[in-house]
Amino acid sequence: EVQLVESGGGLVQPGRSLKLSCAASGFNFGEYAMHWVRQAPGKGLEWVSSISWNSGTIDYADSVKGRFTVFRDNAKNSLFLQLNSLRTVDTALYYCAKAGCSFTACYINYWGQGTPVTVSS
Amino acid sequence: DVVMTQSPDSLAVSLGERATINCKSSQSVLNISSSKNNLAWYQQEPGQPPKLLIYWASIREFGVPDRFSGSGSGTDFTLTISSLQAEDVALYYCQQYYTTPRTFGQGTKLEIK
Repeated sequence: EVQLVESGGGLVQPGRSLKLSCAASGFNFGEYAMHWVRQAPGKGLEWVSSISWNSGTIDYADSVKGRFTVFRDNAKNSLFLQLNSLRTVDTALYYCAKAGCSFTACYINYWGQGTPVTVSS
Repeated sequence: DVVMTQSPDSLAVSLGERATINCKSSQSVLNISSSKNNLAWYQQEPGQPPKLLIYWASIREFGVPDRFSGSGSGTDFTLTISSLQAEDVALYYCQQYYTTPRTFGQGTKLEIK
């Protein structure tokens, strides 16, 4: 059974940093692209970032480019998102999501439960 | 950016009736080389993460009831629920994965009439 368990969310002041983690199990993590998608309270889905199976292709939404960094450790079946220079508009539930392919131009076939990030002074 | 526009924003359908949700992209999401439309549909029940229903515009994910179907090509896509069940009450999103950013539609809220 595919499982994606996010952690690392919390309350943080504007301008500070946070590191999100996603522990994957139930599939060969190193063979699939991964995504981060966020959902602000009461709002729709916003794609944040994606990374291919070998980290060769990495993309970001313009809203987070230069502030967020995605990386993965295939040996540890883990995905990460480093969030720097956080803004109040970054407040959201952050989902770790598995692609159905090794490349990033692919649908998402599994989602974690999400980890909440609240940016507030 | 490719803008995904869903219609309607909300929809109320009687149990057993057909529900149709539309999704229009601001540019084609058809990959000419693969002849595949890079378009997916997701269902999000309250308090839950999204769930994949349809990918490549018309392929039903394993385990998804066959009352769900996807159609369309290029810029115009449709999610159809042939006979609405009570458990289908949810938010529905389309997403293009043809180019970055991999944009979602704004969502369609489906309710029982």
